[in-house]
Amino acid sequence: EVQLVNSGGGLVQPGRSLRLSCAASGFTFDDYAMHWVRQAAGKGLEWVSSITWNSGNIGYADSVKGRFTISRDNAKNSLYLQMNSLRVEDTALYYCAKDNGGGGVTSAFDIWGQGTMVTVSS
Amino acid sequence: SALTQPASVSGSPGQSITVSCTGASSDVGSYSLVSWYQQHPDKAPKLIIYDVSKRPSGVSNRFSGSKSGNTASLTISGLQADDEADYYCSSYAGNYIVVFGAGTKLTVL
Repeated sequence: EVQLVNSGGGLVQPGRSLRLSCAASGFTFDDYAMHWVRQAAGKGLEWVSSITWNSGNIGYADSVKGRFTISRDNAKNSLYLQMNSLRVEDTALYYCAKDNGGGGVTSAFDIWGQGTMVTVSS
Repeated sequence: SALTQPASVSGSPGQSITVSCTGASSDVGSYSLVSWYQQHPDKAPKLIIYDVSKRPSGVSNRFSGSKSGNTASLTISGLQADDEADYYCSSYAGNYIVVFGAGTKLTVL
């Protein structure tokens, strides 16, 4: 079964760090670009970051640039998001998603994780 | 910047509706990499259209997509009760960046 499993969310104070993980199975992980997308409660989808199949190219939303770092370990079929200097406005459900466009970045995310909740509050 | 979608649309069962998605020459206007997602409450989004007008395997042919200039459109024909959901467009914007629309809530009357 093709699936992505998110983990690592939780409650954290403003200014602290958190690392999210996404475990992939059922497909050849290193053939595809991957993404993080977040959704605050009652709000729309916000793309956060992308990484190509070989980590050669990475993109970030302006709202997280300089604070978040995306990475992947193809040997472990895993995607990560290191989140530093967290802000209250980073509170959201964070999804990892598989790009269906091969190794490069498109806007087509055909497989989504179940999401992991990040709450930033003092 | 986020793509512009109407906040809500509605239609009766059997009717057709269209959701617009307006971007800029730097995203929708430059790339045939526009996608559409359906999201039911408390569920992960589901890809229903990619590359402007392609449907993933298993998605009903009642869903169709198109693009003209900086505006993409999603049309749902033969509306069904289960189509009631939030719909989001997205576009590649260059430099490994993706942008989403703010979402459109579809109500089936």
